[in-house]
Amino acid sequence: GAVVSQHPSWVICKSGTSVKIECRSLDFQATTMFWYRQFPKQSLMLMATSNEGSKATYEQGVEKDKFLINHASLTLSTLTVTSAHPEDSSFYICSARDLGRGLGEQYFGPGTRLTVT
Amino acid sequence: GQQLNQSPQSMFIQEGEDVSMNCTSSSIFNTWLWYKQEPGEGPVLLIALYKAGELTSNGRLTAQFGITRKDSFLNISASIPSDVGIYFCAGQWGEYGNKLVFGAGTILRVKS
Repeated sequence: GAVVSQHPSWVICKSGTSVKIECRSLDFQATTMFWYRQFPKQSLMLMATSNEGSKATYEQGVEKDKFLINHASLTLSTLTVTSAHPEDSSFYICSARDLGRGLGEQYFGPGTRLTVT
Repeated sequence: GQQLNQSPQSMFIQEGEDVSMNCTSSSIFNTWLWYKQEPGEGPVLLIALYKAGELTSNGRLTAQFGITRKDSFLNISASIPSDVGIYFCAGQWGEYGNKLVFGAGTILRVKS
């Protein structure tokens, strides 16, 4: 149980294009999902909290117009990196809270490696 | 952003040895979590701790929630090559609500 998937697992795009990353909770419903980015040899940095049916909450310093988040259903959240630039290249990881377990711990997806050329 | 103080930063140990790592915080948390991340993968939840003083095991892993609610440790007994990875502690349900606050990670390498 508590499986979270991400798609795609890796993507290469050209500078200026947009890329959409999907995060799905496969065996539970998630009213809250989180998006992180991780640079090599560093810890996870929270970008935003995605709430089903409402606007995402972004962390300080994260541009909401550049990183569009849509949480349209209880099992799907999407992150769209708009007008991507090489500095957006990173490992993007989502997580989902499973309210049916413990105190709603976060379970992570396998991550999406984004490379912008 | 806010991070927990996790140590050691890295460890290179002999197969069969025991491993210990810990996290401390200036803030109180009501839940402590330990995750393991392998290269190119997302973190996998190893142990979740809910009560101060709680000691929980998961196979060869043992973790404790500190009495002050500001610290936690993770022990791995009789390490094996597949224990290699980065171990992260995380605090939840404190002043940051349901957000996770992460440690910087402990890189574990095992030589067989």
